[in-house]
Amino acid sequence: ETGVTQSPTHLIKTRGQQVTLRCSSQSGHNTVSWYQQALGQGPQFIFQYYREEENGRGNFPPRFSGLQFPNYSSELNVNALELDDSALYLCASSLEGTLGETQYFGPGTRLLVL
Amino acid sequence: SQQGEEDPQALSIQEGENATMNCSYKTSINNLQWYRQNSGRGLVHLILIRSNEREKHSGRLRVTLDTSKKSSSLLITASRAADTASYFCATDNAGNMLTFGGGTRLMVKP
Repeated sequence: ETGVTQSPTHLIKTRGQQVTLRCSSQSGHNTVSWYQQALGQGPQFIFQYYREEENGRGNFPPRFSGLQFPNYSSELNVNALELDDSALYLCASSLEGTLGETQYFGPGTRLLVL
Repeated sequence: SQQGEEDPQALSIQEGENATMNCSYKTSINNLQWYRQNSGRGLVHLILIRSNEREKHSGRLRVTLDTSKKSSSLLITASRAADTASYFCATDNAGNMLTFGGGTRLMVKP
């Protein structure tokens, strides 16, 4: 157990809908990153938040957005869902300030878009 | 896009044998990390090796890093059935924003 929790565990949506996924960071961690993992592939970096500001972004369109709250929990929002958005969404928390700090991953939310 | 490429994509061995997985990457890095994933669940951090390190050990795990060849290897010695999982390498070249490879699926037969 890493202390990082995600909700919900599973979710089914239809194309065009919007979805919000939630992540609670490990205690004391001020940085959260989100990753998308399609079936049979490695995770791909979506974006990272540090102290409530977006700190970096991967190659994902603007319909993927996020928030980080003062308690360092985080949300990932995806608008106008597409079939290809079906994937496991992972969040990871870490403590910014030290290069190469270990990231702690949550169990993921599996999203299916029909 | 994925920077790392793991080799092999799949590996099947008998319990007690050693398992070696390789990872190649394309750009300069701060560190390289190996993760394990069971059945599409969350990732478990195994080991981190910094760019100025060449070898690191943790229990039955041994990781090497060759920055001149932009490659790394993960050796699991005396494998167990419980080691069956997917293993991913991930490179960090900017502030803990990891770039993962496609993974090696390891099966250890009892």
